[in-house]
Amino acid sequence: QLQLQESGPGLVKPSETLSLTCSVTDYSISSDYYWGWIRQPPGKGLEWIGSVHHGGNTVYNPSLQSRATISMDTSKNQFSLNLMSVTAADTAVYFCASVSPPPTTIFDYWGQGALVTVSS
Amino acid sequence: SYELTQPPSVSVSPGQTATITCSGDNLGDKFACWYQQKAGQSPVLVIYQDFNRPSGIPERFSGSNSGNTATLTIGGTQPMDEADYFCQAWDGSTVVFGGGTKLTVL
Repeated sequence: QLQLQESGPGLVKPSETLSLTCSVTDYSISSDYYWGWIRQPPGKGLEWIGSVHHGGNTVYNPSLQSRATISMDTSKNQFSLNLMSVTAADTAVYFCASVSPPPTTIFDYWGQGALVTVSS
Repeated sequence: SYELTQPPSVSVSPGQTATITCSGDNLGDKFACWYQQKAGQSPVLVIYQDFNRPSGIPERFSGSNSGNTATLTIGGTQPMDEADYFCQAWDGSTVVFGGGTKLTVL
């Protein structure tokens, strides 16, 4: 069964770049699937950040598009998130997930989540 | 931008039916999913493509989607069903999540 695991620093300073990696096991990220990032600020709801496909298509939440970059490393079966110029408002648990292609767009497998705190 | 609206909270007695709604413009023309999130855990898919249950999800979970409203119904609600529930859809260019509904079983 497909498994996902987030990794990266748990503390990032304001104005710096948040970088997270999602490692996928038991499934190739070169399949006809999308791979997504979702975040959840403490005590709040889910916010989609963006999704990437190995064919090169990447889609972003318009509210984060100017700061977010999602990329893939098929040789390592990983995909990554970079979020630039972070502020305290970016403090959240960040989840990676597998996503069926639009229009069904089903987030069927999720990682356990990684808490990232933005603070000096 | 497209929005999905959920009631912040729903309460139900054990054994009764819980109904959680998700409203959005012409939501019935899109595919709706529902996720269950228990405290401190990752979300779990409970309904996809409006009414389908993934393997391992109990039959008491059901869904529908028509007009402007998608509905998650939990029949014979159990204490273990107490959680936050989020609806989600693709609006044609972006993924949208509802704000979430806290289901209390008391």
